[in-house]
Amino acid sequence: GESVGLHLPTLSVQEGDNSIINCAYSNSASDYFIWYKQESGKGPQFIIDIRSNMDKRQGQRVTVLLNKTVKHLSLQIAATQPGDSAVYFCAECRANAGGTSYGKLTFGQGTILTVHP
Amino acid sequence: DSGVTQTPKHLITATGQRVTLRCSPRSGDLSVYWYQQSLDQGLQFLIQYYNGEERAKGNILERFSAQQFPDLHSELNLSSLELGDSALYFCASSVTGGGWEQYFGPGTRLTVT
Repeated sequence: GESVGLHLPTLSVQEGDNSIINCAYSNSASDYFIWYKQESGKGPQFIIDIRSNMDKRQGQRVTVLLNKTVKHLSLQIAATQPGDSAVYFCAECRANAGGTSYGKLTFGQGTILTVHP
Repeated sequence: DSGVTQTPKHLITATGQRVTLRCSPRSGDLSVYWYQQSLDQGLQFLIQYYNGEERAKGNILERFSAQQFPDLHSELNLSSLELGDSALYFCASSVTGGGWEQYFGPGTRLTVT
């Protein structure tokens, strides 16, 4: 596979463990926060999003937590599987001055998750 | 498979040359986005088109341009290529103009020698 960065944070877990991937964001004006997963050799894949007026959202095996006080976003993956091994990116979606989001995503640097069988 | 197609998959060219990357969005998606992914800059938004019109611009160089055609496919043109333009270029699409749930294609790997 190919790596997307030489100095990305890494997280290594055992199959079946829960994983927590963290992200710090800078713009408190962002409307949505999104998590994407990028497997080796593929494009990013949408996982889950959370609106800025929420602090928690759950999906299938994933939970996103938003702490606006400290500008922190986390992705929790339950019962992590080898197929979850990938680079995980948080992204922000900001509205323009008129309050319209144009879908312009600003991505974080990414975290490499490795799941060992 | 996201339903977004990109061609070519790989492209090797020399400095100073011009290339065109092509993207076909998912059926029914009106918005197309272009991103550049490199080791030093990460994943960077370049430009967005919605139903044929430019909607948003990121840190896209003046040497780069894009367009979306009436059939909604899009092309990204890169000219006067430099070594630093070597990167993965992704196209993504979404149904609406403000979509943050974007579907990414497999990317075009550009190598400038």
